Amino acid sequence: DIQMTQSPSTLSASVGDRVTISCRASQRIPSWLAWYQQKPGKAPKLLIYRASSLESGVPSRFSGSGSGTEFTLTISSLQPDDFATYYCQQYNSYLYTFGQGTKLEIK
Amino acid sequence: QVQLVESGGGVVQPGRSLRLSCAASGFTFSAYGMHWVRQAPGKGLEWVAVISYDGSSKYYADSVRGRFTISRDNSKNTVSLQMNSLRAEDTAIYYCAKDKAVGWSPLDYWGQGTLVTVSS
Repeated sequence: DIQMTQSPSTLSASVGDRVTISCRASQRIPSWLAWYQQKPGKAPKLLIYRASSLESGVPSRFSGSGSGTEFTLTISSLQPDDFATYYCQQYNSYLYTFGQGTKLEIK
Repeated sequence: QVQLVESGGGVVQPGRSLRLSCAASGFTFSAYGMHWVRQAPGKGLEWVAVISYDGSSKYYADSVRGRFTISRDNSKNTVSLQMNSLRAEDTAIYYCAKDKAVGWSPLDYWGQGTLVTVSS
């Protein structure tokens, strides 16, 4: 199975900051990677797919990059609504796997 | 608009069975693969199972293979998860979610989840 490792596990930042979350796959997954945002008590929301494609309706301050085994989610200027937990997910194989999550907290 | 509504959760004793259902609307259900994803209390997301658009292909996480069975009824726009031999570690919110596109793809719509608690 493909393992997904996110870093950091927790990130403290302020409104207006630029933040980056990393995700590493245990084997090559070309660009078959998605990013999700989850708020407490809510279902996850798809933000980015195919590593860098922005899902419809998602603000342009969110962006994704990377290929192969190394991927990044960037939020260019944090807004109050962005404090949440973020997960990467690979869909290169039929055994989908998620990263362990990165909790983005207010500093 | 797309809606996914899970049902069937509850409290069940270890070793017993439970069947979850997910009712879909607002899209052509028979054209998309469907997934179950779970989240233990205070933990991260764990992918559980997927079924192809026509039900011909099914895949499971190692943690549930041989105990859980995913199925679908395209005439009723429902996907189900039969969970047997339940363990305490199966306690979680179970979400159903749909593929964004044909083939392996990310999950673009999710239900609100149903809580399964395995406890004696």
